[in-house]
Amino acid sequence: LAKTTQPISMDSYEGQEVNITCSHNNIATNDYITWYQQFPSQGPRFIIQGYKTKVTNEVASLFIPADRKSSTLSLPRVSLSDTAVYYCLVGDKAAGNKLTFGGGTRVLVKP
Amino acid sequence: NAGVTQTPKFQVLKTGQSMTLQCAQDMNHEYMSWYRQDPGMGLRLIHYSVGAGITDQGEVPNGYNVSRSTTEDFPLRLLSAAPSQTSVYFCASRSWGWETEAFFGQGTRLTVV
Repeated sequence: LAKTTQPISMDSYEGQEVNITCSHNNIATNDYITWYQQFPSQGPRFIIQGYKTKVTNEVASLFIPADRKSSTLSLPRVSLSDTAVYYCLVGDKAAGNKLTFGGGTRVLVKP
Repeated sequence: NAGVTQTPKFQVLKTGQSMTLQCAQDMNHEYMSWYRQDPGMGLRLIHYSVGAGITDQGEVPNGYNVSRSTTEDFPLRLLSAAPSQTSVYFCASRSWGWETEAFFGQGTRLTVV
């Protein structure tokens, strides 16, 4: 499983866009990139997943450059309720349930 | 559709006691797993299962046992509780396939005194 590196914490303000970059230099050809969000006292929740280029859903966008050695999760116009820990995971279906969570990025949205 | 249900939500044990944390899912998922999360840390994989009758160890399996007799249930047993097992435990399930979305339960907060 490819190792990921992401910032420990980020502060933002309501209405701003938050971009969290994850490095995964050893990503394999079959690996895809998945982001989870975890609120205090809750289990993680799937946000978005991608393989290459850009993926967008109703919650976030995921930007993946051509070399796939990094990815950026973009949260548009954050609100106080977006305060959470965001985890970047890399793997493929062969990893099965072995989702490996690092320390994540703690995002604090201020009023 | 309840998703992943964990019981109990809170538990206090004395050192040396044993107990079982329950996890059930109603999504017919093949994969189920247990994680523990210590304060301010990420999740660490304890045990996982790829189907009924099949289990395997994760990153931190010592002190825990699992079994998978049905697709729906994946209980985690603490054999002899120790203070180092004080943590929040999460159960997760997902289906086979390219879609890797895992569904997590709400967690069990365990304190061992």
